[in-house]
Amino acid sequence: GENVEQHPSTLSVQEGDSAVIKCTYSDSASNYFPWYKQELGKRPQLIIDIRSNVGEKKDQRIAVTLNKTAKHFSLHITETQPEDSAVYFCAASDGGSTLGRLYFGRGTQLTVWP
Amino acid sequence: DARVTQTPRHKVTEMGQEVTMRCQPILGHNTVFWYRQTMMQGLELLAYFRNRAPLDDSGMPKDRFSAEMPDATLATLKIQPSEPRDSAVYFCASGKRTSHGYTFGSGTRLTVV
Repeated sequence: GENVEQHPSTLSVQEGDSAVIKCTYSDSASNYFPWYKQELGKRPQLIIDIRSNVGEKKDQRIAVTLNKTAKHFSLHITETQPEDSAVYFCAASDGGSTLGRLYFGRGTQLTVWP
Repeated sequence: DARVTQTPRHKVTEMGQEVTMRCQPILGHNTVFWYRQTMMQGLELLAYFRNRAPLDDSGMPKDRFSAEMPDATLATLKIQPSEPRDSAVYFCASGKRTSHGYTFGSGTRLTVV
């Protein structure tokens, strides 16, 4: 099955700085890559996703890039704010439009210091 | 916003007791997942259903766990007998073929003492 590795496991940044979280995957059939944000004691929430026919996608302060050749994808958060503090999970799926199972990374605890 | 509803939100039970967790997926979502989250193992897939049919339950300890979808509006996860190592947060998530991603429920925090 798919194996998703996520780094770093913890990340601390000053408010206003950028944060980058990286993930690699093993199965070249994977074609859907979502990112979830989980605040303490709450459910994971989808913040952005990308499909394999796209190299980059942006939504305000967050962006995701995908390198299919190298099998890695990254989350970029610019102008970080304290409310960005949470655990971020990357995931990969080979379901395409069928929405197969998600294989999750182990998560990155992001702390943004005021 | 449409929500995935899970009950109960919290459950404390004694070892050996039966535990049933329920999930109401978003109306129209045909794919339902059960995940377990612990600090040690992260998010583990236990089982998932499409159009109420089980597709994969290989992550579930078969001797004590069972998952069902008696109808399109209800998914259940049952543990019998429960053990302390089952203590975790259990999430249900639902999705649709053409939608983007899954929506997670708020989870059931299970503590087995």
